[in-house]
Amino acid sequence: SQKIEQNSEALNIQEGKTATLTCNYTNYSPAYLQWYRQDPGRGPVFLLLIRENEKEKRKERLKVTFDTTLKQSLFHITASQPADSATYLCALDHNYGQNFVFGPGTRLSVLP
Amino acid sequence: DGGITQSPKYLFRKEGQNVTLSCEQNLNHDAMYWYRQDPGQGLRLIYYSQIVNDFQKGDIAEGYSVSREKKESFPLTVTSAQKNPTAFYLCASSTGRPADQPQHFGDGTRLSIL
Repeated sequence: SQKIEQNSEALNIQEGKTATLTCNYTNYSPAYLQWYRQDPGRGPVFLLLIRENEKEKRKERLKVTFDTTLKQSLFHITASQPADSATYLCALDHNYGQNFVFGPGTRLSVLP
Repeated sequence: DGGITQSPKYLFRKEGQNVTLSCEQNLNHDAMYWYRQDPGQGLRLIYYSQIVNDFQKGDIAEGYSVSREKKESFPLTVTSAQKNPTAFYLCASSTGRPADQPQHFGDGTRLSIL
């Protein structure tokens, strides 16, 4: 069956460290993968998109990798800050790119 | 500012009642989507529309209905046939085929049963 998993429901790290979040998928063949941030009671906000032929994408303190062989994406936040505390969702394109399937999310807490 | 507006923020439904959630966008996006989010779960697609007067069922369409009479509006009706409607509902839009375009989300409507 098709499945998207994100490494853990919650992740706690110390301020200044690098947070690494994992998105693994089974029985999907995405051409695109997106990462979103969601704060409590708010809608998700788009962060980054990576294509299947791109190994890595960066935006300021954020870095995303996409390994179609391992069927995995890693999302890194370097020099993490308490303001980075949120839930992070990965999403894969699905149904010939007509829509996206979302993972359950990882709730990141950056401790001061 | 351009964006997506969902209303109301909180909604209560009585047993046997239909309720309609509003979603309006001024981003001039062709595609619009409705998702349901339950605690600890990812977003699940209810319905989507790529163009006015056309919409498609998502993964969990049973008990829901939509219309797309105007480009900027995509209301969702939660019918009495939806037996477990308590959830956080999110509307999104994008510039057509979403695979390589970001989705822009509203701030959701939280629906509860009285």
